[in-house]
Amino acid sequence: EIVLTQSPGTLSLSPGERATLSCRASQSVKSNYLAWYQQKPGQAPRLLMYGASNRVSGIPDRFSGSGSGTDFTLTISRLEPDDFAVYYCQQYSSSPLTFGPGTKVDIK
Amino acid sequence: QVQLVESGGGVVQPGRSLRLSCAASGFTFSVYNMHWVRQAPGKGLEWVAVILYHGRNKNYADSVQGRFTISRDNSKDTLYLEMNSLRPEDTAVYFCARESPPNSNTWSSLLAWGQGALVTVSS
Repeated sequence: EIVLTQSPGTLSLSPGERATLSCRASQSVKSNYLAWYQQKPGQAPRLLMYGASNRVSGIPDRFSGSGSGTDFTLTISRLEPDDFAVYYCQQYSSSPLTFGPGTKVDIK
Repeated sequence: QVQLVESGGGVVQPGRSLRLSCAASGFTFSVYNMHWVRQAPGKGLEWVAVILYHGRNKNYADSVQGRFTISRDNSKDTLYLEMNSLRPEDTAVYFCARESPPNSNTWSSLLAWGQGALVTVSS
């Protein structure tokens, strides 16, 4: 099983600041089959990025993803009020598919 | 528009069974792989199971292997999760979710999600 570790657990930032979220895998994620999701309280998750660096249609370009192998990053270039949420990475390269524990981005 | 609506949640005693359904609309259900993902109260997301679009391949998380069964009826545009021998640690909101590309024999990211059904396992 591929175990995903996300850091930091909580990121306290102000609107307009840059957010850098990390996702590290216990073994290589083949073909960079790594996705990022945003979840707000009481809502279903929303897919932001797939294939590590491909932005889903309709997702603002302030969101970007990078990385390969075992180290991946989600960057939010300038935080908007709507971006404060929990972010999860997920690998879909091997079964069982797994999610990271999440990074909460909250308002400083 | 794409819509996924879960039903069948509720309160059940430990050791009993429950079946969740997920009714799909707004897209051609039969060409997409489908997943169940759960979230315990106040916790993170946990992947549960996947079934390929044709229904012949299924995979499960270790935590539910042998107790849960994922299935689909493409004639009814409906996904199911049969849950047996339920445990208190199965208490969660269960989401059904659809992958993004159609007709895929490998797994992909989850583009569309339902709003979830709450399952509470308690005596």
